[in-house]
Amino acid sequence: KNEVEQSPQNLTAQEGEFITINCSYSVGISALHWLQQHPGGGIVSLFMLSSGKKKHGRLIATINIQEKHSSLHITASHPRDSAVYICAVGNYGGSQGNLIFGKGTKLSVKP
Amino acid sequence: DGGITQSPKYLFRKEGQNVTLSCEQNLNHDAMYWYRQDPGQGLRLIYYSQIVNDFQKGDIAEGYSVSREKKESFPLTVTSAQKNPTAFYLCASSVTRTAQYGYTFGSGTRLTVV
Repeated sequence: KNEVEQSPQNLTAQEGEFITINCSYSVGISALHWLQQHPGGGIVSLFMLSSGKKKHGRLIATINIQEKHSSLHITASHPRDSAVYICAVGNYGGSQGNLIFGKGTKLSVKP
Repeated sequence: DGGITQSPKYLFRKEGQNVTLSCEQNLNHDAMYWYRQDPGQGLRLIYYSQIVNDFQKGDIAEGYSVSREKKESFPLTVTSAQKNPTAFYLCASSVTRTAQYGYTFGSGTRLTVV
């Protein structure tokens, strides 16, 4: 069983729709990261959170530490949001500060 | 602007040749990482370095080698011993080894071995 599970694997939405991507993890963590990977391959860090909720523009990330679950929401989706969204967890008590990555959710927003 | 530069973006090599991927950062970050990404899989850690002149193997280090002679540079060599080298390679860095301030990622190098 993977330590970080994302759902759905693929998601197609119409422009303007509200989108939710889920991430569940099975290990103890210090923080959870949401990353965005565009078709060219480069990765941008969207959020790093260890509790509660963070908002940046149309993006909202929440985490429930007790349930080991996080969600990434996109409000008023736009075709430029089309990308792969990756959840990753990190335990900073470890010796390497490494991340464990989910397999990603491929989002396609149609105009 | 500060960031991570990976070069080249696309790289083609013949089977049996060693190839070196470049990763440079001007963020003054202590820690640097190399990840490999294959279709349908999450990123996997190849090597990481927490400080100059020190590096550690990650989960899939076999067939790879690295060096960290300067703080800003962490090149990855894909050797002929790597059985399946065709993949997308990502370099990342963090302020400290515990990464409590998050990570910065490069734009990646897509290596194709023919």
